[in-house]
Amino acid sequence: AQKVTQAQTEISVVEKEDVTLDCVYETRDTTYYLFWYKQPPSGELVFLIRRNSFDEQNEISGRYSWNFQKSTSSFNFTITASQVVDSAVYFCALSDFNSGGSNYKLTFGKGTLLTVNP
Amino acid sequence: EAGVAQSPRYKIIEKRQSVAFWCNPISGHATLYWYQQILGQGPKLLIQFQNNGVVDDSQLPKDRFSAERLKGVDSTLKIQPAKLEDSAVYLCASSPHDPETQYFGPGTRLLVL
Repeated sequence: AQKVTQAQTEISVVEKEDVTLDCVYETRDTTYYLFWYKQPPSGELVFLIRRNSFDEQNEISGRYSWNFQKSTSSFNFTITASQVVDSAVYFCALSDFNSGGSNYKLTFGKGTLLTVNP
Repeated sequence: EAGVAQSPRYKIIEKRQSVAFWCNPISGHATLYWYQQILGQGPKLLIQFQNNGVVDDSQLPKDRFSAERLKGVDSTLKIQPAKLEDSAVYLCASSPHDPETQYFGPGTRLLVL
């Protein structure tokens, strides 16, 4: 069965520090998609990135970067030079085919609460 | 482009009462999802629609929850009767089609007393 593990429940850093959020996933599918979402205190889930299982190229977007490693089933997220506005809950999610069904199913980890202190 | 709209944003009810939530997806998105997010956890899929048909409702507690998307656009999720454990945030999401990226609305925070 598909599973997403975010071992870090809470992380607290001081502004300008770099921080890495870990994500480990389990799936039997060869085609799947990985996501990161941000949930600020307002509650809305904000899409950050989507990767498919055939594209292991790391990605950088401004202060954000993602490291996808199939060999270790990990999809880690790094924020460089963190800012107070980065404070939020971050969710890693896996989309793979719903065995027994006809759809792709998005499974979320439990999230990591990141607090960036000034 | 307008995002996913949900209403109400907050709702407080007593147990055994009924409640309904409304969602309007991003224009043109064929797939609509309802999730339940309990405090401290990630969202859990309740039901997925493709146009006006149900694709997956395997985790919907059908004895008390129901959902519809009659014209393939907006959708309502109903709970009747509500239980204390239904207190959660109910999130609606939409995507152009499965398995494209899902975009989420602001959610409805439900408190059952």
